[in-house]
Amino acid sequence: KAGVTQTPRYLIKTRGQQVTLSCSPISGHRSVSWYQQTPGQGLQFLFEYFSETQRNKGNFPGRFSGRQFSNSRSEMNVSTLELGDSALYLCASSLEALTAEQYFGPGTRLTVT
Amino acid sequence: GQQLNQSPQSMFIQEGEDVSMNCTSSSIFNTWLWYKQDPGEGPVLLIALYKAGELTSNGRLTAQFGITRKDSFLNISASIPSDVGIYFCAGRNKGNKLVFGAGTILRVKS
Repeated sequence: KAGVTQTPRYLIKTRGQQVTLSCSPISGHRSVSWYQQTPGQGLQFLFEYFSETQRNKGNFPGRFSGRQFSNSRSEMNVSTLELGDSALYLCASSLEALTAEQYFGPGTRLTVT
Repeated sequence: GQQLNQSPQSMFIQEGEDVSMNCTSSSIFNTWLWYKQDPGEGPVLLIALYKAGELTSNGRLTAQFGITRKDSFLNISASIPSDVGIYFCAGRNKGNKLVFGAGTILRVKS
C-alpha cells in the first residue's frame, strides 16, 4: 500500500506571498492532519480534517488554513508568508478522525526569503 | 499549552548497548506514541500505547505507558547503526490533539 505523499517536497517563497501544499493520504484513510516542524518549536499541530470538515485546530493564526476533498486528499494554504513560516510541513493520515495512530508523509520543506 | 518533557536530548552510545529514553508531563494523556524520524523524512510510528500500565514490544523496541498516565518510556535493546535518528514521544490529550516531545537524538558508535 502506498504511503502518504506530499507535494511539492521543496518550495522557496518570498515574504508576503501565499503557498498551497498538497497531501494524499494512505488509501482508505479518511483523516488528514497537518503539522509544522521547526528546530525551535518542534512538531506542532495545525489542524485535522475528516470527511471534508475541520475536526480539530491548533494554535496558529488565521493565515494558516486547510481543506479536504471528497477523495480525502487535503491541501493547506499559508497566506502573507512571514520569515518565521519557514519549516517542514508534515501531513499525517489515519483511518478515522481523532485516531492516535497517524502515519506521516515525507513533508514539504518551505523556505521563506 | 501542554508540554511533554523528553529526555535525554541526545545520546551517543556504543553499538550493542541498550538505550532508554522517556517522556513526562504534568498532564494526563489518553494515548502515548513513539516515532522515529530520519533526516529528510517524516516520523515513522514505532509503538502505540493505549492503556495505563501497558507494556508493548516491537522487535528490539519496548515501550510502556506509565500508570499515572503522565509518562512513558522507550527502550531499544542491542542498538545497531541504523537506530540513529531522532525519537519523538507523542501524547494524545483530552482535546484529542497530538502533542509531541522535543525529541531524543540517538547516535551510535560502530
